[in-house]
Amino acid sequence: GQNIDQPTEMTATEGAIVQINCTYQTSGFNGLFWYQQHAGEAPTFLSYNVLDGLEEKGRFSSFLSRSKGYSYLLLKELQMKDSASYLCAVRDHDYKLSFGAGTTVTVRA
Amino acid sequence: DAMVIQNPRYQVTQFGKPVTLSCSQTLNHNVMYWYQQKSSQAPKLLFHYYDKDFNNEADTPDNFQSRRPNTSFCFLDIRSPGLGDAAMYLCATSRDAGGAETQYFGPGTRLLVL
Repeated sequence: GQNIDQPTEMTATEGAIVQINCTYQTSGFNGLFWYQQHAGEAPTFLSYNVLDGLEEKGRFSSFLSRSKGYSYLLLKELQMKDSASYLCAVRDHDYKLSFGAGTTVTVRA
Repeated sequence: DAMVIQNPRYQVTQFGKPVTLSCSQTLNHNVMYWYQQKSSQAPKLLFHYYDKDFNNEADTPDNFQSRRPNTSFCFLDIRSPGLGDAAMYLCATSRDAGGAETQYFGPGTRLLVL
């Protein structure tokens, strides 16, 4: 089976930086996705990593180490609107995305 | 704007009374997915269609069925809802399967079973 772990909750101050870690043990690997999900809404795509290294996209960056089964999502210059759940998802050899339970980030003023 | 649409956004049904949730897409994507997400849990894939080919996950209960009459529409039928089926149901689409193909989600239908 697939096993994807990420912390349940994180709290940070507006303007700060937060790093959300994700570790995975899956039967196959064909890429890792990060999604943002506001309460009661659908997940929205943030980033995709398939090769080792850092992908930067504005205030958000995502890192992948395939040998370690590890990824992180870095949120910089936090804004109140960044308060949401962040889901790590791994694609196996085929089509299937397996999601982690999500990390709820609370941004305080 | 191209998008994934789910109706209704909230659905209340009675224990054992069949219910149908609908999803439509204007993206002309080949693949459509149905996920179940319970509170504070990961979305769980129930099944997906690649074009007209139906793919059921091994642990999806028989109580859940799906139909895709055409490219744009996909339905989730729950034949006899139980209290444990109360959840958010998410529809997603992707242009193709695998690789870097991103899944685009609809706003979800929250199902309440009384």
